[in-house]
Amino acid sequence: RKEVEQDPGPFNVPEGATVAFNCTYSNSASQSFFWYRQDCRKEPKLLMSVYSSGNEDGRFTAQLNRASQYISLLIRDSKLSDSATYLCVPQPGRADKLIFGTGTRLQVFP
Amino acid sequence: NAGVTQTPKFRVLKTGQSMTLLCAQDMNHEYMYWYRQDPGMGLRLIHYSVGEGTTAKGEVPDGYNVSRLKKQNFLLGLESAAPSQTSVYFCASSYSQTSTYEQFFGPGTRLTVL
Repeated sequence: RKEVEQDPGPFNVPEGATVAFNCTYSNSASQSFFWYRQDCRKEPKLLMSVYSSGNEDGRFTAQLNRASQYISLLIRDSKLSDSATYLCVPQPGRADKLIFGTGTRLQVFP
Repeated sequence: NAGVTQTPKFRVLKTGQSMTLLCAQDMNHEYMYWYRQDPGMGLRLIHYSVGEGTTAKGEVPDGYNVSRLKKQNFLLGLESAAPSQTSVYFCASSYSQTSTYEQFFGPGTRLTVL
């Protein structure tokens, strides 16, 4: 089993829609998680950190299910500017053990 | 605050040539990293450093060397470039005082080896 698994997408949604991505991880030692967004040909940028059961920041909500070892990202009221690849990154406590998956691509259309 | 900067932004090399990529950060971060990203693949860790004067191998270190002579700089060297090293290279840095290792990335260097 891969350490991080995400549906690559693309998820094509209209503006204003609600969309959710899941991410499964294999290392049960992971204590915290990050969601990064990466625009085409740009560097990843931190979107949200998840340290407990979940986190909410405006239109974005992340939830963690430790028993099933998955985290989710919910985006409400999608904007055109949300179009990007979203990377789920479990953090197991060592600098060299951050695993970046290929991410989930979101395309928001007018 | 410039954050994390990388030079150069683009480079084309011929097979066998050497070059050095420079990463600089002004956030006083202890940890620094070099990744490569190939089309359709995730970021893969090449080398990393947990402090000035220390380096360690990541997932794909072969063909690369690094140095961290100053806390704010992390250099990635290719001694004899190969076409397989055509990629986008990202540098990142993070604090060490927290256990979360949130990473801040530079804008990337696009390298083509002919």
